[in-house]
Amino acid sequence: DTAVSQTPKYLVTQMGNDKSIKCEQNLGHDTMYWYKQDSKKFLKIMFSYNNKELIINETVPNRFSPKSPDKAHLNLHINSLELGDSAVYFCASSHSYIGSYEQYFGPGTRLTVT
Amino acid sequence: DAKTTQPNSMESNEEEPVHLPCNHSTISGTDYIHWYRQLPSQGPEYVIHGLTSNVNNRMASLAIAEDRKSSTLILHRATLRDAAVYYCILRFPGTYKYIFGTGTRLKVLA
Repeated sequence: DTAVSQTPKYLVTQMGNDKSIKCEQNLGHDTMYWYKQDSKKFLKIMFSYNNKELIINETVPNRFSPKSPDKAHLNLHINSLELGDSAVYFCASSHSYIGSYEQYFGPGTRLTVT
Repeated sequence: DAKTTQPNSMESNEEEPVHLPCNHSTISGTDYIHWYRQLPSQGPEYVIHGLTSNVNNRMASLAIAEDRKSSTLILHRATLRDAAVYYCILRFPGTYKYIFGTGTRLKVLA
């Protein structure tokens, strides 16, 4: 049983296209996150949702739009993809954003924009 | 945001203990110290966290300096599966995010 799952695992697409990445967690957590890991391996938070409400929105271009249909799902939609969007995107979840709860990460989605 | 400093890389022999250091001289009184690791081609994995006292779990031990300006992650017997990038992160409990640094790449030699 996978705790945090992401689909697809790999995504290759051309510049200008629109794509979505899906994330699901079966841990009963109420907070979910999207991180981006670039080619230099820096991990940076992009968004966080708590109980379906956006609580973090780092300086991410408007082309990126997260959507949380329920507490167990957090999807990431990217419009007008650019070469610089190529990265590995990780979804994570935790019990809460308050306190010191650990985060559980998914396996990642490797996005390649050509 | 408080920052952490870690060596870029370390090596260890298999079956030997490994001490991974982390400096966090700007830590505040309420910052928790978290450690994660990222195995090749996988997402980060929680290892351990603590506030002031030393902590032990099935994966590792965390030794926190008395002034809390540094900490050490201890893997008691390194295995080849422990080869990963280890991240030391400070987290204020009222915030919602981790700030990952560059981490320490641990190489375990057979």
